[in-house]
Amino acid sequence: EAGVAQSPRYKIIEKRQSVAFWCNPISGHATLYWYQQILGQGPKLLIQFQNNGVVDDSQLPKDRFSAERLKGVDSTLKIQPAKLEDSAVYLCASSPIAGTRGETQYFGPGTRLLVL
Amino acid sequence: GQQVMQIPQYQHVQEGEDFTTYCNSSTTLSNIQWYKQRPGGHPVFLIQLVKSGEVKKQKRLTFQFGEAKKNSSLHITATQTTDVGTYFCAGVRTGTASKLTFGTGTRLQVTL
Repeated sequence: EAGVAQSPRYKIIEKRQSVAFWCNPISGHATLYWYQQILGQGPKLLIQFQNNGVVDDSQLPKDRFSAERLKGVDSTLKIQPAKLEDSAVYLCASSPIAGTRGETQYFGPGTRLLVL
Repeated sequence: GQQVMQIPQYQHVQEGEDFTTYCNSSTTLSNIQWYKQRPGGHPVFLIQLVKSGEVKKQKRLTFQFGEAKKNSSLHITATQTTDVGTYFCAGVRTGTASKLTFGTGTRLQVTL
């Protein structure tokens, strides 16, 4: 079974530029998550989709970050414009379903973003 | 908001020594999960605990969920160099639909 795919793996941009990340979850997984992991910290949930609907985006900085999962499969996360503090690893994860008890999440390799 | 703290932040042990990391949540959890992240890698699921007081073992790893469902621990017996990495607990707050809040993590270094 193929795992969660993400691209690009690395990205270097200058502040105020735009950047987009792509994620393809495990086939059949209904729930998709985007996390931001700053060096030395635990992953922080940015947004959670179930199929193509948003379940939780309470920690997404909506003035600059946006995400979509139009067909309920792959997803893109965009930052526009980027700030220095956005430098982090952006992790995508997926799980089969989302219930009240939580499901195992399978993480992709992440995209390492450096904003100069 | 919900906070999940782990101690210690970092531990360096000699191979063969035991290791324990503790996880504490500011709110009651419906379940807790543990993940391991190798240097430069991504989090990998280890286990999920659901019941109050639950204890689960995976070879040299022992996981425990507190009676009040607000704390948890991971104990590794006789560490090996392959145990190197950061261990995160991640809690699901009661009533939230599978939203994981990750702890601050404990980085384990094992030397020969």
